[in-house]
This record gives sequence, C-alpha cells and structure tokens, in this order.
Amino acid sequence: NAGVTQTPKFRILKIGQSMTLQCTQDMNHNYMYWYRQDPGMGLKLIYYSVGAGITDKGEVPNGYNVSRSTTEDFPLRLELAAPSQTSVYFCASTETGTSKETQYFGPGTRLLVL
Amino acid sequence: GNSVTQMEGPVTLSEEAFLTINCTYTATGYPSLFWYVQYPGEGLQLLLKATKADDKGSNKGFEATYRKETTSFHLEKGSVQVSDSAVYFCALSDTGFQKLVFGTGTRLLVSP
Repeated sequence: NAGVTQTPKFRILKIGQSMTLQCTQDMNHNYMYWYRQDPGMGLKLIYYSVGAGITDKGEVPNGYNVSRSTTEDFPLRLELAAPSQTSVYFCASTETGTSKETQYFGPGTRLLVL
Repeated sequence: GNSVTQMEGPVTLSEEAFLTINCTYTATGYPSLFWYVQYPGEGLQLLLKATKADDKGSNKGFEATYRKETTSFHLEKGSVQVSDSAVYFCALSDTGFQKLVFGTGTRLLVSP
C-alpha cells in the first residue's frame, strides 16, 4: 500500500492563478481531510469528506473548494490564489472517522503564492 | 471551543537526556488525545494515543498519560536519540466524529 499520496510536492503560483492539489489514498478509507500548516502553527482543517459525494467545511475553508467523486480521491482547488494561501497542505484519511482513530497523512504539498 | 496548548520550542537536548514536552487541553466532552510526530520533509505520523482518562500511550520509548484532573497529556522519553529530532504535535479529537485540533508543535533538536 502506498497509503496517502499527494501531488505536486512543491508549486509556485502567481496571485490570481488557480490550481488543484491532488490527494489519493489506497486504503479504502471513507473519511478524508485537508489541512494547512503555517510556519510555527499547528494544522488547521480546511475541508473534510465522510464519503464519496459528501464534503463539509472545516475551520478555514475560505478560498478553497473540494470534491469527492470517488472513495480514493479528494482534490483541493484554489480558484484565485492569494499570498495568504502560502502554506504547506496535508491530506489525511481515516477508515471510519471515529474520535479514537489514527489519521494517516500524506507527505504534503508546499505552495508559494507570489 | 476545544484547544490544545503546547510548550514553546525549540527544545534542545544532548543524546541520552530525559525529554518532557508539556501539553494541556481544553475540551467540552471526553476527547481522545494524540501525539503526532513530523520528521523533516515528511508528513505527520501517529506516535501514540490515549482514548480515556488514566490511559497511557506508549511507542518507541515515548510515553504519555491521559490526566483528566489536570487536563494534560505530557510526552516523555527517558533517553533521547539524535534520530528523535523532529516536530511533535499534541492533538485532541472530541467524542463522535473525528476532527483533530492540533497544538502549535514543539521542535526537538537532539545533538550527539
């Protein structure tokens, strides 16, 4: 199992450009999450999904969109990139989403918006 | 709302020293508590967890005990190694659906 994979590893965007961060998991997990990690800060939840076709906002959803058409994939879309979106983005998944479960994280995508 | 407070870093230790990283939490329910570790250039991975009061989580020589009376989950290791250098995150997930709330992370630097 590859676990949770993310692409790209690093990207530079200009202000106003758009891009999609890809996330795929091969563990057949129902629950998937997107976080951002700013320097010196903990991770903040952007969006999450409890299954294909179902998504919901987390703590910091503004400026982002998500979709979940399959169990495996959970892409994160930035429509109009802003410098405030410079961050490291992590995707994660859990099998059943209960509070006791371990989350499995991808290696992250580092995004720089100039 | 729920929150996690960790001690500021970096924590700088010599190899074989004793490690404590403090973590306290605020939660409305009965949360599960976690320590995640992030090695340089990698994503987070679970180090240990405890799901009810007085539980002790342990892994790779690290330990943490869920103390409800002091709302704490301090991470300890008796003898650190250079390979333990990483950022350590304390996190909680309240009862029901899992939404992790993270502390700000504590960077540990271990020198030979």
